[in-house]
Amino acid sequence: GNSVTQMEGPVTLSEEAFLTINCTYTATGYPSLFWYVQYPGEGLQLLLKATKADDKGSNKGFEATYRKETTSFHLEKGSVQVSDSAVYFCALYSNTGNQFYFGTGTSLTVIP
Amino acid sequence: DTAVSQTPKYLVTQMGNDKSIKCEQNLGHDTMYWYKQDSKKFLKIMFSYNNKELIINETVPNRFSPKSPDKAHLNLHINSLELGDSAVYFCASSHEGGRTEAFFGQGTRLTVV
Repeated sequence: GNSVTQMEGPVTLSEEAFLTINCTYTATGYPSLFWYVQYPGEGLQLLLKATKADDKGSNKGFEATYRKETTSFHLEKGSVQVSDSAVYFCALYSNTGNQFYFGTGTSLTVIP
Repeated sequence: DTAVSQTPKYLVTQMGNDKSIKCEQNLGHDTMYWYKQDSKKFLKIMFSYNNKELIINETVPNRFSPKSPDKAHLNLHINSLELGDSAVYFCASSHEGGRTEAFFGQGTRLTVV
């Protein structure tokens, strides 16, 4: 089956710290992988994506690389800001399931 | 300009009532979805729907039913509301196949009292 596992939060970091949020997946076929971000009171917004193995998605200083050998898509940012405080969701799309599968979300709080 | 819009944003209602949440997308997507997000932020797929197929998550009670008058709309109708239905409901859309991302609405916070 298809599923996404991401590290549990909450995560609290000081401003300018390095961020890693782990994400691993199980999928049939060749999934596309995504990271979404949800700010308080809002819907999910796409942060970055990768559609095939070894692709690197990047946006706003965040990066994630599609690793087929380890079935992972870890999110990283070199220096977080207070404005990065949000809930982050790892997701995959599998055309064998015709839907997006989401991880449980990781809450990030960045303190000044 | 809103890509995926859903109404209302907030909905407070009594147990036993029937209510609907509307969703519209102007992206030309052919697949739409409804997700339920609980208090722990966990997202659960309820339905996915395109012109050809309605896929229902088997754990969704049959009090919930999607209604699609056309390709740009997928409304969620809920009968006999229960306290446990309180959650945030998100509508989303994408091109069939999912190679591009899903776009989400702002959510509808449903509170059943």
